[in-house]
Amino acid sequence: TAGITQAPTSQILAAGRSMTLRCTQDMRHNAMYWYRQDLGLGLRLIHYSNTAGTTGKGEVPDGYSVSRANTDDFPLTLASAVPSQTSVYFCASSAGNTGELFFGEGSRLTVL
Amino acid sequence: KNQVEQSPQSLIILEGKNCTLQCNYTVSPFSNLRWYKQDTGRGPVSLTIMTFSENTKSNGRYTATLDADTKQSSLHITASQLSDSASYICVVSASSQAGTALIFGKGTTLSVSS
Repeated sequence: TAGITQAPTSQILAAGRSMTLRCTQDMRHNAMYWYRQDLGLGLRLIHYSNTAGTTGKGEVPDGYSVSRANTDDFPLTLASAVPSQTSVYFCASSAGNTGELFFGEGSRLTVL
Repeated sequence: KNQVEQSPQSLIILEGKNCTLQCNYTVSPFSNLRWYKQDTGRGPVSLTIMTFSENTKSNGRYTATLDADTKQSSLHITASQLSDSASYICVVSASSQAGTALIFGKGTTLSVSS
């Protein structure tokens, strides 16, 4: 089972350019999440979606947007990248009330 | 404010030795606590979940404890192996009518050397 698939695995991006990080799950989980992970700061929630058609803001949403057109896909878009968005981005999903998160392998983004 | 604090920030031990990682939380209303293991360059993977009524739970060489009164959890690793080198993240779930919030610790980085 693939679980959560993220693409690209890494990307170097010029400041001011736009970028979409893709996330697809095959577990039919209702909830999906985007986190960024920075050294010394841990994982921080950017945006989430509790079910297809709905999205919400997390702890650090500025500069990012998401959409949830269907259950499986949850892309994260940076409209105009800035160097402070250099990070490792993790997509995750969960089902049920136990709250276990299933993470993708991450997308390493460098903004120059 | 809901917070999860982990200690130590990093730890180096010799292969075969035991170690204990700590997680202190101030989260309300408490629902459950999970420990995740994150290998370098990979996404976190759940090791174990602790609910309010559970004191101890084992997963192979990993044993988690929970003291709901003092709001502390520990993850004990027995007979460490090189493959235990990873970051260990404590995540506390707070559930209410408004929904479920996950509060993340910043993790403990464990290095096991031969």
